[in-house]
Amino acid sequence: ETGVTQSPTHLIKTRGQQVTLRCSSQSGHNTVSWYQQALGQGPQFIFQYYREEENGRGNFPPRFSGLQFPNYSSELNVNALELDDSALYLCASSPNVVNTEAFFGQGTRLTVV
Amino acid sequence: GENVEQHPSTLSVQEGDSAVIKCTYSDSASNYFPWYKQELGKGPQLIIDIRSNVGEKKDQRIAVTLNKTAKHFSLHITETQPEDSAVYFCAGHTNAGKSTFGDGTTLTVKP
Repeated sequence: ETGVTQSPTHLIKTRGQQVTLRCSSQSGHNTVSWYQQALGQGPQFIFQYYREEENGRGNFPPRFSGLQFPNYSSELNVNALELDDSALYLCASSPNVVNTEAFFGQGTRLTVV
Repeated sequence: GENVEQHPSTLSVQEGDSAVIKCTYSDSASNYFPWYKQELGKGPQLIIDIRSNVGEKKDQRIAVTLNKTAKHFSLHITETQPEDSAVYFCAGHTNAGKSTFGDGTTLTVKP
């Protein structure tokens, strides 16, 4: 098992609500990347945080935002939830921005109803 | 933006046979190509990776090859075992912090 922990593991929200997902990073890692994985598809890159700053972003709207804390743990916030936001949200921690030696958490399954 | 295409989407082999999964990428800035194995209910697990300055890498039964000119890379699993059954993803990463994954290959190894 990796040292990357995500919470909560499952979550049900109503359309229009806001949600915060959390991710601890592996010891010694300073980079966290977030992904959205729809059923039967590959993870889609949302954004990456490196030393508390956003370092790269995929094709997701601004209502997807994040934070990284001094201990390198991270949060993903999604505002104005839509039904299509239902997915598995994964975070991965890495010792660098190229994401070598990345460890993934087990994911948070978000269902929007 | 970067596009990573992965083939085949499903692959069924007999135990002991070899399995090959292929990916192509579009962004010349991609310089790191990992392969992940994802089992049901778990996050992806890194199984092998290759950097753009290397053509081939092997780790026991698993090998990866990279053709930078053609922009394609492949995963080779030899002597497959039932526990190799899972979904496999290829990915391309850049120094700009961007990652692009393929759509996955469901590998089934029949005993």
